[in-house]
Amino acid sequence: EAGVTQSPTHLIKTRGQQATLRCSPISGHTSVYWYQQALGLGLQFLLWYDEGEERNRGNFPPRFSGRQFPNYSSELNVNALELEDSALYLCASRGPNEQFFGPGTRLTVL
Amino acid sequence: DQQVKQNSPSLSVQEGRISILNCDYTNSMFDYFLWYKKYPAEGPTFLISISSIKDKNEDGRFTVFLNKSAKHLSLHIVPSQPGDSAVYFCAASAQYFGNEKLTFGTGTRLTIIP
Repeated sequence: EAGVTQSPTHLIKTRGQQATLRCSPISGHTSVYWYQQALGLGLQFLLWYDEGEERNRGNFPPRFSGRQFPNYSSELNVNALELEDSALYLCASRGPNEQFFGPGTRLTVL
Repeated sequence: DQQVKQNSPSLSVQEGRISILNCDYTNSMFDYFLWYKKYPAEGPTFLISISSIKDKNEDGRFTVFLNKSAKHLSLHIVPSQPGDSAVYFCAASAQYFGNEKLTFGTGTRLTIIP
């Protein structure tokens, strides 16, 4: 069974640009979560999508947004990039008891 | 406001001995707790979980203990092996209230010394 996949692995952008990160959940999973792990910090919850709808969002500005497609894959968009957006962005899909994480996208903002 | 705290950023343990990782939480609505292990450049891997209706859950070498009155949980690894060297994250959620997002601690880096 394939795990959670994310693309790209690495992404380099400059300040003010937009970044788009993609995630495919485990087959059969309908919920997708996005987390940010900035340097020296734990994982911070960003967004939760289930059945195509946003269910919850963390304490992040509106320039962090996303969507979930009919096939349950998801996209995270970060507009007007700032230097502090540099982080590892992790996507997870939910199984019966736990969330399964993808390998992450390392976003670097220069 | 850090609702889940792992106060030890790092821990070194001799191979074969017991590793004990600790985690404290402040939100009394948390009712489900998980431990994840993370290697560099990889996503976290689920290890073990415990519901608030239990005080202990065991899976092979891994045991999680929950003390609700103290709002404290711990992960015991016995015996510790070199492959256990990783960063361990404690996480919590308030599933009964329909809030399935995970709130993570800042992690403890465990190093197993051969």
